[in-house]
Amino acid sequence: TQLLEQSPQFLSIQEGENLTVYCNSSSVFSSLQWYRQEPGEGPVLLVTVVTGGEVKKLKRLTFQFGDARKDSSLHITAAQPGDTGLYLCAGGKGYSTLTFGKGTMLLVSP
Amino acid sequence: SQTIHQWPATLVQPVGSPLSLECTVEGTSNPNLYWYRQAAGRGLQLLFYSVGIGQISSEVPQNLSASRPQDRQFILSSKKLLLSDSGFYLCAWGLTPLMSNEQFFGPGTRLTVL
Repeated sequence: TQLLEQSPQFLSIQEGENLTVYCNSSSVFSSLQWYRQEPGEGPVLLVTVVTGGEVKKLKRLTFQFGDARKDSSLHITAAQPGDTGLYLCAGGKGYSTLTFGKGTMLLVSP
Repeated sequence: SQTIHQWPATLVQPVGSPLSLECTVEGTSNPNLYWYRQAAGRGLQLLFYSVGIGQISSEVPQNLSASRPQDRQFILSSKKLLLSDSGFYLCAWGLTPLMSNEQFFGPGTRLTVL
């Protein structure tokens, strides 16, 4: 079974702080996605990374795929209350399916 | 642009009753379709996926079944619900040629079995 471990499980910070969340596995993935999910809604795709060492930026969010394509990180600069939500990573290794981590619940307080 | 719909949005059903959840996708052809269940607002468990009409792969043996009667329609069913079937059910679509395996989710159905 391919497992994706996300850490921390829960993070509570003040507005303006920086944070990093991690997604780790012992398996190699051909791609990795990050999603954000708000309560009662479906996950929304934030980014896809496919190349080892790849870095992508989405405004205040920076995503990195590990060189060996086994891990990834998400860094948020100057967090805002609107960043609150469940952050899920998902790895693709086959034809069509994804393996999801259990998520990091982020709470940003004003 | 592509959109994905799920209904109903919420459902409360007694134990032993049947279930039918529907998912439809607009704006694309031959999508891969997926059913997930999410418990307690955490990780997603893949239940079924389909790469074409009538083609269903089951990931977890359980009380549920899936069908794909049309290219862009995916249905999740049960003949007799169990308490353990409660949860948040998500439908997703993706495109086969994409090596990135990207999936796009619907709004979800909250199912409570009493």
